[in-house]
Amino acid sequence: EVQLVESGGGLVQPGRSLRLSCAASGFSFGDFAMHWVRQAPGKGLQWVSGISWSSGSIGYADSVKGRFTISRDNAKNSLFLQMNSLRPEDSAVYYCGKDQGFGEWRGMDVWGQGTTVIVSS
Amino acid sequence: YELTQPPSVSVSPGQTARITCSGDALPKQYAYWYQQKPGQAPVVVIYKDTERPSGIPERFSGSSSGTTVTLTISGVQAEDEADYYCQSADSSGTYRVIFGGGTKLTVL
Repeated sequence: EVQLVESGGGLVQPGRSLRLSCAASGFSFGDFAMHWVRQAPGKGLQWVSGISWSSGSIGYADSVKGRFTISRDNAKNSLFLQMNSLRPEDSAVYYCGKDQGFGEWRGMDVWGQGTTVIVSS
Repeated sequence: YELTQPPSVSVSPGQTARITCSGDALPKQYAYWYQQKPGQAPVVVIYKDTERPSGIPERFSGSSSGTTVTLTISGVQAEDEADYYCQSADSSGTYRVIFGGGTKLTVL
């Protein structure tokens, strides 16, 4: 069964850091780009960051550029999001998603169930 | 670079719902459509503009014309009430993914 399981969310004070993880199973993780997408309460989906299969190509939303870092470990079938200098507006459910494309980025055909991040003092 | 969707669409059961998504980059990039029900993760219902994943009912279809893509749900059922998002991606230069603002489908 193809599956993505996020972890690492929680309550954190503004300005602090948090590291999210996404464990993949049931597919050849190293063949596909991966993404982080978030959803603030009552709001729409917002792409946060993406990384190519080789980690050679990475992109970030402007709102997180310079604060968040995406990475992956293909040997461990894992995706990560290091979030620094967190702000209250970063509070959201964070989903990891598997890109359907083999090379170019296209869209996500598999999603995790999400992990909740709350940034509050 | 934006994708524009109507905030809401309402239809009666059995009718056809059409949700549009407009963006200048859509002629060059594939569109994906996701269904999201309250408290659940998104699920892809249409990929690469017109393709339907296995397990998605045949009443879901996608089309593309110029700068607009359309998700059509024929014979809408109560269980189709959800938020729907379009999405496209660019990996030819700047690496980014864009979502539309979402459309709330209400089944009357």
